[in-house]
Amino acid sequence: NAGVMQNPRHLVRRRGQEARLRCSPMKGHSHVYWYRQLPEEGLKFMVYLQKENIIDESGMPKERFSAEFPKEGPSILRIQQVVRGDSAAYFCASSPSNGRNTEAFFGQGTRLTVV
Amino acid sequence: TQLLEQSPQFLSIQEGENLTVYCNSSSVFSSLQWYRQEPGEGPVLLVTVVTGGEVKKLKRLTFQFGDARKDSSLHITAAQPGDTGLYLCAGDLRETSYDKVIFGPGTSLSVIP
Repeated sequence: NAGVMQNPRHLVRRRGQEARLRCSPMKGHSHVYWYRQLPEEGLKFMVYLQKENIIDESGMPKERFSAEFPKEGPSILRIQQVVRGDSAAYFCASSPSNGRNTEAFFGQGTRLTVV
Repeated sequence: TQLLEQSPQFLSIQEGENLTVYCNSSSVFSSLQWYRQEPGEGPVLLVTVVTGGEVKKLKRLTFQFGDARKDSSLHITAAQPGDTGLYLCAGDLRETSYDKVIFGPGTSLSVIP
């Protein structure tokens, strides 16, 4: 998973604040995926983006959550007015394309704690 | 509804033992991937299997993709403490014009020295 950079690694927010999670994909990768993981559980798909486009956001809550992947800069997952239930590890993965069986590489995640 | 099931959910074994973990679904996947995740880290890809019936070996790990491409198994021979981690299978569903990868809930393996 070397190369996919997520920051911050740990983020603490009070209820009602905003959380911004950043993901810089591997060089040459134009596809980004965001996943959420609760303790002792697998990864739940949230959103899939290409540069400047949201392709599939079917796993993302309709309210308070948004994601973007601008032409320049990292992909951002934004959570507004955080609640305790948003506490989780958020992982992003990137791939160079979305051809069949393309492998995705994961970052080390951002662990969000809402207090 | 969990599209991918994994069993067992937790497994604790002694060093040197063999083990098998399973990944099952009612859906057909164009490919299936196995990842290992250590605490505090992101998942690391171990293998991708593509063809029904395919068997791949990675040192002491043997991966098999079911003939119908609905299930997979991971067998570890002579487990070592370094094998400890969360093993995740992920299936590639080509439902639309792009690949959508979904993950199973994982098998948490603990190898005791």
